[in-house]
Amino acid sequence: QSVLTQPPSVSEAPRQRVTISCSGSSSNIGNNAVNWYQQLPGKAPKLLIYYDDLLPSGVSDRFSGSKSGTSASLAISGLQSEDEADYYCAAWDDRLNGWVFGGGTKLTVL
Amino acid sequence: QLQLQESGPGLVKPSETLSLTCTVSGGSISSSSYYWGWIRQPPGKGLEWIGSIYYSGSTYYNPSLKSRVTISVDTSKNQFSLKLSSVTAADTAVYYCARHSSTVTTHMDYWGQGTLVTVSS
Repeated sequence: QSVLTQPPSVSEAPRQRVTISCSGSSSNIGNNAVNWYQQLPGKAPKLLIYYDDLLPSGVSDRFSGSKSGTSASLAISGLQSEDEADYYCAAWDDRLNGWVFGGGTKLTVL
Repeated sequence: QLQLQESGPGLVKPSETLSLTCTVSGGSISSSSYYWGWIRQPPGKGLEWIGSIYYSGSTYYNPSLKSRVTISVDTSKNQFSLKLSSVTAADTAVYYCARHSSTVTTHMDYWGQGTLVTVSS
């Protein structure tokens, strides 16, 4: 049971837009930055979004992040087959004094 | 370009201690303001943070693993290490090392490729 809650899977057609939610609490998302990671099959996680809505250099602007209260979202527009991956949200938790992750969301591009 | 590489035994017997090392290249582990961490991922499951360390030796551990985990740093070799004692099959996972962009509460921006450790007799 992950501290942060994500839907196990989402799917959408190519060129469409999809959002992935991440729900937490006041001790993590509500008080700290949210990061998102993309994990392609058999690969290490890659930082996709940091400080809630910032993109690292080299990450496509088709990806965007947002946060409101104790929930965060990752949006991917103009879906491409290469976006098929697992996506994880993460945040520091003040109560646990450590990092917590969501359970991951598997994105399927139909 | 900063690179991290995990190394260590791929097979560990139950009740023994898992030991892994992360070698950092392209940058100094002694650089101020960076924390270095370990994360694991059981087969087919999600990510779990294990703990993080500063070059000075200051550590943060996942409360659920704290009693079994030791993370240390060797600045002379530009490495940091993980020891997990009394392992069971539940500790079978891909283990990743990573760098925090700054303090321990900041995102992990560079990751190693990961190494699979299987716990089995």
